[in-house]
Formats: sequence, C-alpha cells, structure tokens
Amino acid sequence: SQTIHQWPATLVQPVGSPLSLECTVEGTSNPNLYWYRQAAGRGLQLLFYSVGIGQISSEVPQNLSASRPQDRQFILSSKKLLLSDSGFYLCAWIRKSSYEQYFGPGTRLTVT
Amino acid sequence: DAKTTQPTSMDCAEGRAANLPCNHSTISGNEYVYWYRQIHSQGPQYIIHGLKNNETNEMASLIITEDRKSSTLILPHATLRDTAVYYCIVYSGNTGKLIFGQGTTLQVKP
Repeated sequence: SQTIHQWPATLVQPVGSPLSLECTVEGTSNPNLYWYRQAAGRGLQLLFYSVGIGQISSEVPQNLSASRPQDRQFILSSKKLLLSDSGFYLCAWIRKSSYEQYFGPGTRLTVT
Repeated sequence: DAKTTQPTSMDCAEGRAANLPCNHSTISGNEYVYWYRQIHSQGPQYIIHGLKNNETNEMASLIITEDRKSSTLILPHATLRDTAVYYCIVYSGNTGKLIFGQGTTLQVKP
C-alpha cells in the first residue's frame, strides 16, 4: 500500500535555529514530491516540488531549501528559522502513471 | 498554469446534495481537475479527479463541462462530517506543479 511518513509530528524551535523536516514515501517509485506550508487560518502554499532525484523547483523565495537525496525521500531545511516560518508543513506525492495523490500527516512547527 | 476560482463559502442542509462549483477557464487539454477537502487541523484528503468525462466514486461525483472550463463536485447526501474546506485544483503531469487555491468552506447545517 502507499504510505507517506513525516516526522516529527510537532516541533517547537527558537528563532534563528536550524530546521530539518523529512518525508519518505513507500509503495511507489519515481513519484513527484511536494512540500506545502499552511499558516494558521490560511490556505496551502506550495513551497517546493520535485519531479526526480536532485531536481527541485522552488515556488517561494525565502530562507527555506529542499533536497531529494533519494527517490522516495524529500527534506525541507532552514539554516535560521524566522517567526513567520511557523505553520503546518505537509508533504505530498503523486504517482506519475496514474496521477494518484497522497498527503502525509503533516508537521506542526511553532517558532518562538 | 491554469488557475481555479471557487466561491469563498457555501451552506448546505444535512441530507441534501452539496454542489460545489469551480471555474478553470484557462485549463489546458492535458490538465486534470482534482478535488480535495481539508478538515480542521488535518492534511488534505483526496476526493476525486477527472480529465474530460464525469467521474463518480464512493465519496462524490465530478461533473466537468464539455468545454472543460468549469466543474462541479457533488456530495449526494451531505452530512455534518462533510463540513470542511474544499479545494479544486488543476494538475499537469508535464510540469508537475500542483497549486492550491483558497478553496470553498462548506458548512453543512442540521
């Protein structure tokens, strides 16, 4: 079955600290992968997406970066967090052959 | 990339059909229409998707106009648990980009 893992589920970090969120996918190969952020009471903002290993497209210029070191692994990082980075971070993937789409459980980040 | 337009909010009586419209007038021939919903504090839940033909599954029906410039998601018998934000999205396998709009907040009332 198709599974997507995200961790941690919740995270509280001070301003200026680094960040690393990991997303891994099971049950498929060569998926499209996505990172979204949702601020409180707002819609889903696309941050990064990847159509293959090492291929990253950025939608929003900011202090975040993404990497895809393996086919089914997608990492979101920051060297120095800002207060405005607080939000609900969601990883998603799409199966290219059938266009099935799945979202992970999300990580709720609070920057203090 | 095709954009979508949805009403900000809608109400529906419990047990009645909920019809949620979406406008995607700039959609390209190879772009799919997807519908998701998001219940408070949870990740989006896939509902249904289609290209040209109408689609139906256990959750909903998707009606796409012949010119593909708009679509309607139909929840046949809305329940209180269907209260959520519903997103209509256009997706192209060519680019891989998947952008959500603001969605429609559906309030199902008893």
